[in-house]
Order: sequence, then C-alpha cells, then structure tokens
Amino acid sequence: AQSVSQHNHHVILSEAASLELGCNYSYGGTVNLFWYVQYPGQHLQLLLKYFSGDPLVKGIKGFEAEFIKSKFSFNLRKPSVQWSDTAEYFCAVNALGGRRALTFGSGTRLQVQP
Amino acid sequence: DVKVTQSSRYLVKRTGEKVFLECVQDMDHENMFWYRQDPGLGLRLIYFSYDVKMKEKGDIPEGYSVSREKKERFSLILESASTNQTSMYLCASSSLLTPTNEKLLFGSGTQLSVL
Repeated sequence: AQSVSQHNHHVILSEAASLELGCNYSYGGTVNLFWYVQYPGQHLQLLLKYFSGDPLVKGIKGFEAEFIKSKFSFNLRKPSVQWSDTAEYFCAVNALGGRRALTFGSGTRLQVQP
Repeated sequence: DVKVTQSSRYLVKRTGEKVFLECVQDMDHENMFWYRQDPGLGLRLIYFSYDVKMKEKGDIPEGYSVSREKKERFSLILESASTNQTSMYLCASSSLLTPTNEKLLFGSGTQLSVL
C-alpha cells in the first residue's frame, strides 16, 4: 500500500522568504503525485499535479514541485512567499494500478508573517 | 457552480448514538469518498465508492459504514459514536473520466464532536 510522509509539520516564514516543503512517498510502481492546499476556512483545492513527463511541474500562484523518482520525493517550492500563502499544504499520491483513491500526507501548516 | 454539499457544518452527538453524515454532489460523478481530517494526521480515507451500491474500505473503516443508494448521495454512518470519532469529516467526489482523481472536489466538511 502507498503512504506519504511530510516532514515539516509547522513552518513559519517571513514574507519574501523562499519555501520548500518536503514530501516522500512509498510505493514501488508508477504514481501520480499531487499537492493540495487548504486556506483558512476554505475547501481543499488542487495546487499542482505530476503525471508524467517533465519532473518539474508548475502550479497556481507561483508554486512548483519537482518529482525525483530516485528519492521518492515530490517537494513543493516557491521562491518568494506572501502572507496570502498562509495555509495548510497536503501532499498526496495515487498509485497506478492500485485503489482509485488518493492517499494524503499529514500536512504542513505554513504561517507567513508580514 | 458545481459543488459537493455536506448537510451539516457542525454536529454534536453523544457516545453511543447512531450518526449519519450526508454528502451530495451535483456533478454526476461516479466516485465519492469519505475522509477524516485530524491535526497532525492529515486526511485519512474511511470509505469510497465508484458506483451506486458499490463501496470499498479505506485505511480506517472500523466503526463506520457507508451507503450509496443514489449516484449523487454518499452517506457515512457511525453505528455507535465514540469520543475518538470526534473529527472533521470531508466528503469528495470525482469523475471516472479522471481515473487518477486529479479533479477531486471537496465539500466544506462536517465538524463532529462526540461527547
């Protein structure tokens, strides 16, 4: 069965700082990878996804993530965070050929201070 | 505007009560899911369904059951609520046309407190 680990539980940054949130998954086969974001009081929404091809994927609001297959990682990055990026971020995996449901990580709460 | 609607935003129940959480989607989606969200644990899959009357167990099905009698509605049932089932419950849906669930749409959640 697939699983996802997010190492940073709570990250505090100042505006304009760079962001990198770690995500590792465990599954030996082909996977699709996702980052979801939950802004305070709002629904979970998709930030970006990786299916195949270029391992560097770009999402909304200036976020990007890099899939490194050899490290089973899919870290989320943003060069310069804004106060409006304060939210909880979830990494998720869907193992192809496995069950038709996403497995989520434990989440990282990002707090951006103005 | 397409949406996933959960019937209650907040619920307070007593230990031992039977609890029904309702979820309705208006997008004609085949797949529907129930997750619970707990601080530090993220989202954990309870049950999912990819067709009417079909269901599959997720990672933490114990103490829960589900019902999918109509395509648009997916109910989560706590047979005998316990305090460790106090949590935020999230319903989600997606189309079979997106088998990798990249267009997973979430409801706003039901915060259940079991006293």
